[in-house]
Amino acid sequence: AAGVIQSPRHLIKEKRETATLKCYPIPRHDTVYWYQQGPGQDPQFLISFYEKMQSDKGSIPDRFSAQQFSDYHSELNMSSLELGDSALYFCASSYRDRGRNTIYFGEGSWLTVV
Amino acid sequence: AQKVTQAQTEISVVEKEDVTLDCVYETRDTTYYLFWYKQPPSGELVFLIRRNSFDEQNEISGRYSWNFQKSTSSFNFTITASQVVDSAVYFCALRPYSGAGSYQLTFGKGTKLSVIP
Repeated sequence: AAGVIQSPRHLIKEKRETATLKCYPIPRHDTVYWYQQGPGQDPQFLISFYEKMQSDKGSIPDRFSAQQFSDYHSELNMSSLELGDSALYFCASSYRDRGRNTIYFGEGSWLTVV
Repeated sequence: AQKVTQAQTEISVVEKEDVTLDCVYETRDTTYYLFWYKQPPSGELVFLIRRNSFDEQNEISGRYSWNFQKSTSSFNFTITASQVVDSAVYFCALRPYSGAGSYQLTFGKGTKLSVIP
């Protein structure tokens, strides 16, 4: 079965640069989530989209933005990168339907800021 | 507010031993979902199980079993006859069953399991 696809898998950027992460959810899933996991930490919720509209917002810095496109793929844009942004970024998707809403995660994108 | 506590930060067992990972949660919701995810050293988050709060039946899947006790707000995970491939960080997570907007998962801090050959 198709899973959540994230790209790139690894990314190295310098401080103050910009990075964009892409996510392709599982087909027909209507909700996309972004999580950030720092070294040795649990995943922290950043933002979610339901049917291409932002549905919830967590601890996402103002330097970050995200959107979901008409084909349901999503992008997380990170500007003015800081060393502390180095983390594993997960995209996840699910159905919102209460009976089917297991959240499945992609393999993650490793961002290193140097 | 929701909270998930995994009191065991790290556990080491010898291969073939049984091991139980503890998870205790707090929520004001009357209905909710509980999850376990596995994160191997390669980094991906692998879904293991979802449990509805209104279904307290325990579940077994091969060497894995889960014990959900609503009375003690616990959702413990047992691996029987552990194997080296079980070495990973295991996260317990909670999310509301329904509600306006907040469908995201609240994770515990994770338990790092090392299975020694």
